[in-house]
Amino acid sequence: AQSVTQPDIHITVSEGASLELRCNYSYGATPYLFWYVQSPGQGLQLLLKYFSGDTLVQGIKGFEAEFKRSQSSFNLRKPSVHWSDAAEYFCAVGGWASGGSYIPTFGRGTSLIVHP
Amino acid sequence: EPEVTQTPSHQVTQMGQEVILRCVPISNHLYFYWYRQILGQKVEFLVSFYNNEISEKSEIFDDQFSVERPDGSNFTLKIRSTKLEDSAMYFCASSGRGSTDTQYFGPGTRLTVL
Repeated sequence: AQSVTQPDIHITVSEGASLELRCNYSYGATPYLFWYVQSPGQGLQLLLKYFSGDTLVQGIKGFEAEFKRSQSSFNLRKPSVHWSDAAEYFCAVGGWASGGSYIPTFGRGTSLIVHP
Repeated sequence: EPEVTQTPSHQVTQMGQEVILRCVPISNHLYFYWYRQILGQKVEFLVSFYNNEISEKSEIFDDQFSVERPDGSNFTLKIRSTKLEDSAMYFCASSGRGSTDTQYFGPGTRLTVL
């Protein structure tokens, strides 16, 4: 069964500093990988996704993630964090369910705190 | 930009009562989903719905749960007899063609069962 681990429950960074959020997955085949962000009172918004091809994926809001098959990782990065990036970040791995639907499995999330 | 909406934002109910959570998916989308997140835990898949029938459901989605698309716009999740452990945030999502198409999530309904 597929699974996702986000080892960090909370991450605190200063505004302007670089950011890396960790994600490790377990999946038997080539994974489809996602990062979502959830701001307070908002739904989950897709930041980026990886299906195939270039292992460095660019997303919205200046985020990028790198798929490393050998490490089963899909870490999210941003070179310079803004205060508005404070939110909950979810990594997910997608897989085909028996009924033919495509269902993502989410990690527990990492809460990003940005200090001024 | 079109978005998924959910009502109410917060629902408080007594144990054993029925609740209906409502969602309005993006208008031209074909696939609809419900997820839940118990406080401090992962977002978990409940059910997917396509062509007016359930296409997939998880172990969580037992007989006390049902979904319906009663008209061309709403997508509802009914919990027949709520339990304390049903307290969670419930997210609705929709996608255009299903498969690997991006799922757009609503803001969620926080359900509190007393």
